[in-house]
Amino acid sequence: DIQMTQSPSPLSASVGDRVTITCRASQSISSWLAWYQQKPGKAPKLLIYKASSLESGVPSRFSGSGSGTEFTLTISSLQPDDFATYYCQQYNSYPFTFGPGTKVDIK
Amino acid sequence: QITLKESGPTLVKPTQTLTLTCTFSGFSLSTSGVGVGWIRQPPGKALEWLALIYWDDDKRYSPSLKSRLTITKDTSKNQVVLTMTNMDPVDTATYYCAHSPKPYDAFDIWGQGTMVTVSS
Repeated sequence: DIQMTQSPSPLSASVGDRVTITCRASQSISSWLAWYQQKPGKAPKLLIYKASSLESGVPSRFSGSGSGTEFTLTISSLQPDDFATYYCQQYNSYPFTFGPGTKVDIK
Repeated sequence: QITLKESGPTLVKPTQTLTLTCTFSGFSLSTSGVGVGWIRQPPGKALEWLALIYWDDDKRYSPSLKSRLTITKDTSKNQVVLTMTNMDPVDTATYYCAHSPKPYDAFDIWGQGTMVTVSS
């Protein structure tokens, strides 16, 4: 299995901050990486696919980058609705493993 | 509009078999490329990928759970069923099903999830 790690966790930030979350894969996954946002008691929501493609309807303050083994999710200006847990997922090879999650909370 | 909804027991006893059904609308599992997957999340923990079935009946399983999982589809009913044998308290989790638009793709639409508790 490909192992996914995320940092930091947790992440404390304020409204308006630029926030960056890093996801690393144990082996190269090309650009086959997705980012999800999950709020308490809710299902995950797809934000980014193929490392940097923004899912339809997702605010443009979210962006993704990276390839190979290192990836980042950036929120350009953190909004109150963005306090949540963020997961990366590789879909380069089965099983399509998830990272441990990064909880973004209020500083 | 694609929607998915999980259903099944909320409580199962240790050693029993869990059967979960994902009923979906807005797409067909006979459409080339489409898949439906299952993911679970123990309380307060991370997401875990379990299994995925595609339009052509290709099935993929988590290696660590493969011996206990079976995924099937009923295209006429727009349903995907996941069975997990020999349930244990560590299997207590919220179980989600989700839509995959094509092979080797992210899950773009998720069901609301169903909480399953394993306890005697």
